[in-house]
Amino acid sequence: SAVISQKPSRDICQRGTSLTIQCQVDSQVTMMFWYRQQPGQSLTLIATANQGSEATYESGFVIDKFPISRPNLTFSTLTVSNMSPEDSSIYLCSVAGSLSSYNEQFFGPGTRLTVL
Amino acid sequence: DQQVKQNSPSLSVQEGRISILNCDYTNSMFDYFLWYKKYPAEGPTFLISISSIKDKNEDGRFTVFLNKSAKHLSLHIVPSQPGDSAVYFCAATVGTGTASKLTFGTGTRLQVTL
Repeated sequence: SAVISQKPSRDICQRGTSLTIQCQVDSQVTMMFWYRQQPGQSLTLIATANQGSEATYESGFVIDKFPISRPNLTFSTLTVSNMSPEDSSIYLCSVAGSLSSYNEQFFGPGTRLTVL
Repeated sequence: DQQVKQNSPSLSVQEGRISILNCDYTNSMFDYFLWYKKYPAEGPTFLISISSIKDKNEDGRFTVFLNKSAKHLSLHIVPSQPGDSAVYFCAATVGTGTASKLTFGTGTRLQVTL
């Protein structure tokens, strides 16, 4: 399976600021996704990061709040903008469609965000 | 609307015994199902999957059963080991699982005791 890293692993931020989370994969992958896991909740898909074009957002998530970039087949960023305490969550990227394992999604270690 | 449900938030099993984790879904369009294991401070790790054309898939100690008519799947771990203690999520998708989003259940925390 692909090796996925995320930076930062955790952060504590002030209300009203923005944080950009990076996701790096060690091999080219077709699909990259961003999920959120709020405290005590399940994982919820925020958006699909599309290489070279705008991300595809799920209901309830908008580009102004969660801008996403995907400049190539191994890297993506998620920005959490104008943060509030409700944005405190674990943010995870996942990938699918690698040469070694085409059909499954694999997750990064996550970024634990706390907003004060 | 929770389309994938894991009604047992926690489960405790003795080492060596069988662990059975259950999952129900409501969306009849789902045709591919996955189980993930998650340790604290780590991302979910893929365990096993099953396509809706099958009713059973086995990989070592892990077996997933799918009952389409009941919209129910279960993960069996036998024998259970202390290292299996983690939160287990079932997930469902429409399609092969590659290009489609995963809809997750709320998770079941498994504790394997000595």
